[in-house]
Amino acid sequence: DVKVTQSSRYLVKRTGEKVFLECVQDMDHENMFWYRQDPGLGLRLIYFSYDVKMKEKGDIPEGYSVSREKKERFSLILESASTNQTSMYLCASSSGGEPREQYFGPGTRLTVT
Amino acid sequence: KQEVTQIPAALSVPEGENLVLNCSFTDSAIYNLQWFRQDPGKGLTSLLLIQSSQREQTSGRLNASLDKSSGRSTLYIAASQPGDSATYLCAVMNYGGSQGNLIFGKGTKLSVKP
Repeated sequence: DVKVTQSSRYLVKRTGEKVFLECVQDMDHENMFWYRQDPGLGLRLIYFSYDVKMKEKGDIPEGYSVSREKKERFSLILESASTNQTSMYLCASSSGGEPREQYFGPGTRLTVT
Repeated sequence: KQEVTQIPAALSVPEGENLVLNCSFTDSAIYNLQWFRQDPGKGLTSLLLIQSSQREQTSGRLNASLDKSSGRSTLYIAASQPGDSATYLCAVMNYGGSQGNLIFGKGTKLSVKP
């Protein structure tokens, strides 16, 4: 079975802190994704990566950056956390070839106070 | 721009009933469509994936159909159980562009009452 893990289930940070969210997958997938999920807005793509050291912006990249130094690990970085970044963050991975089914991690509930 | 809509937003049924969840999308040039289940406060679990060349996929009591020309997919759940209570999300992957990011609907929250 594909396994996607995220470093924390719950995280509380203060405004202005630098925050790191880590995601690891064990299926040698080429593609990895970071989404955020908010009530009424659904899931929105922040960033994704299709190879080591490669990244592309999603729909809402402002205030975030990412790092992919190893194939299995994809990190989301909040450079200076703000209260409007309080959200559920979901990581996903998929293979580069068919069928490109996406597998999700358990999510990190981030609260910025 | 691709938009995905799920109707109804919430559904409550008695145990044992067969039910259908609906998903519509505006751009028929899709690569695939996935149905997910999400329990409160948890991540997404992939239920079924239908590739653009397929019409339906089945897994146990679940059957998903795809009609690209009309921009519709349905998820059929047979003999519903209280354990099926969750939010069901539909997502499409477009052809071209980036390496397969999904566009999600806002989900249907299903409650199956014993």
